[in-house]
Amino acid sequence: KAGVTQTPRYLIKTRGQQVTLSCSPISGHRSVSWYQQTPGQGLQFLFEYFSETQRNKGNFPGRFSGRQFSNSRSEMNVSTLELGDSALYLCASSRKLAGGPTDTQYFGPGTRLTVL
Amino acid sequence: AQTVTQSQPEMSVQEAETVTLSCTYDTSESDYYLFWYKQPPSRQMILVIRQEAYKQQNATENRFSVNFQKAAKSFSLKISDSQLGDAAMYFCAYSNAGNNRKLIWGLGTSLAVNP
Repeated sequence: KAGVTQTPRYLIKTRGQQVTLSCSPISGHRSVSWYQQTPGQGLQFLFEYFSETQRNKGNFPGRFSGRQFSNSRSEMNVSTLELGDSALYLCASSRKLAGGPTDTQYFGPGTRLTVL
Repeated sequence: AQTVTQSQPEMSVQEAETVTLSCTYDTSESDYYLFWYKQPPSRQMILVIRQEAYKQQNATENRFSVNFQKAAKSFSLKISDSQLGDAAMYFCAYSNAGNNRKLIWGLGTSLAVNP
């Protein structure tokens, strides 16, 4: 079974621009979560999508947004980029059975975003 | 709010030896999950082991085992017979058992394996 895929793997943008990152979950996984990884702050939760609805949101400004499509693929968007948005953005998918035990999150390789 | 603390930013171990990575957490929940993830230099985050808080038995996966002390809120990872391929960043993570299942992470421990 194919793993979680993320595109693109690398991005270079300038301040003020916007960016869209894409994530394709493992087949059959309906939950997609996004995390930001930086050397200073470590790994921080951005949001989770399940059945095309945002279920949870982390403590990030409104410039960070996302969506999920009917095939469970997810995109996240960052508008008005700032230097501090430079990070590795990780996507994770899980089955998330309703009412069931927490399923393990499986991660993609990440998208390295550099803001100049 | 839940927190996860890894007090060892860096550790090293000789090949074939055993090493233990520490993790403590804070939560008021009684039901939750704990994870150890490994992130090699290639960046792909890989699950090493998971522990359900309601299970008293410590989880094991081949050379990897945990020491889960619920009362002490401690969750250490033991790697036996260390191999060069074990060199990586190791992250301890916490997740509630309810609907909000986001992972809360420690800052990681960089493990070097010396030949």
